[in-house]
Amino acid sequence: DTEVTQTPKHLVMGMTNKKSLKCEQHMGHRAMYWYKQKAKKPPELMFVYSYEKLSINESVPSRFSPECPNSSLLNLHLHALQPEDSALYLCASSRRTDRGGDQPQHFGDGTRLSIL
Amino acid sequence: DQQVKQNSPSLSVQEGRISILNCDYTNSMFDYFLWYKKYPAEGPTFLISISSIKDKNEDGRFTVFLNKSAKHLSLHIVPSQPGDSAVYFCAASDDSGYALNFGKGTSLLVTP
Repeated sequence: DTEVTQTPKHLVMGMTNKKSLKCEQHMGHRAMYWYKQKAKKPPELMFVYSYEKLSINESVPSRFSPECPNSSLLNLHLHALQPEDSALYLCASSRRTDRGGDQPQHFGDGTRLSIL
Repeated sequence: DQQVKQNSPSLSVQEGRISILNCDYTNSMFDYFLWYKKYPAEGPTFLISISSIKDKNEDGRFTVFLNKSAKHLSLHIVPSQPGDSAVYFCAASDDSGYALNFGKGTSLLVTP
């Protein structure tokens, strides 16, 4: 069982809808991440939160809006998405961001998003 | 530009034999390397990592070897089991920590 929980597991939405993806971890991690993964491609980093503050935005379009209400929760608000945004959205967490390897990122099972 | 490359999209191995998955990287600033395993409909699961100050790290049936001069690492699974059948991703980071650069993955099939 994964220690990073993502809801919903599947989401189908129209281009004019507003929806949110949720991610929760109770490992005391202070870094949280959003990744996007297209079919047969590796995960691509979207956002990094460190100590509840946005530290990295990898030039993601503004129709994706992250939010970190507290150290355990990470949301991704979606609005006016395009069909090419259909993908698996993965959340991850790690103890902190200052070292990548001795505190590996732990991933949730993802939300499969389909845009009609 | 792909900085982490897994040139074998798939690998088939018999149960009990050794599985060797390979990974090459181009960025000399990478100093930490990780392997993740992914089953369908699940997120990647961390397997094992290695720092650039080491050339080998072992955890049970899994061993990662790092050759810095060749910018090459490999994951050895001995003995391979059918439950090891999954996609294996190699990932690397530099000392900024947060950015994991993933390879495209190798699909391992372990046959009975």
